[in-house]
Amino acid sequence: DTEVTQTPKHLVMGMTNKKSLKCEQHMGHRAMYWYKQKAKKPPELMFVYSYEKLSINESVPSRFSPECPNSSLLNLHLHALQPEDSALYLCASSQETGLNNEQFFGPGTRLTVL
Amino acid sequence: DAKTTQPNSMESNEEEPVHLPCNHSTISGTDYIHWYRQLPSQGPEYVIHGLTSNVNNRMASLAIAEDRKSSTLILHRATLRDAAVYYCILRDNSNNDMRFGAGTRLTVKP
Repeated sequence: DTEVTQTPKHLVMGMTNKKSLKCEQHMGHRAMYWYKQKAKKPPELMFVYSYEKLSINESVPSRFSPECPNSSLLNLHLHALQPEDSALYLCASSQETGLNNEQFFGPGTRLTVL
Repeated sequence: DAKTTQPNSMESNEEEPVHLPCNHSTISGTDYIHWYRQLPSQGPEYVIHGLTSNVNNRMASLAIAEDRKSSTLILHRATLRDAAVYYCILRDNSNNDMRFGAGTRLTVKP
């Protein structure tokens, strides 16, 4: 199984809602990542988890809250988002965080904030 | 962080080779050169990576200049399925993140 799965595929939420994005991999990878991608722009790194611990937070607003319950799962909890947070949210994983490791990406969750 | 420069767009004909250039004049000695591509409506996909020597895999070849200030991704026979945005990325030894540049949008014509 060389797949990263993300649920849901699409999500529409209001600015007062609380929702969560889910990412799962069963490749035994110990590094997992969240990226945000706006339309016609490259992906931007948000968070990096290594061995279930948060190792990089790219100054992401606190309305985005990541969680890594175990080595296979990565969640992104969303609360009080703004319309400008509408984007494609991509999850990725790699064996480890070293420079020689390729990242495997999921298909993304397309989020719309009304 | 070392930066990369790529053309905004390129066109190719189906079944012909494609050479996608990337300049990285401020590369440091321990930076790896990674290439990913993103097909429409999909997440990015790993293509190839290298440090100093040229690399080949089932998808592509990576030619790295002797001074490492530039590299070229080579698709040997472009297919319609290769139409995508191709990102050249330097993996910096000072941290473990991966920063995407603007990439090159490749169009493949039948």
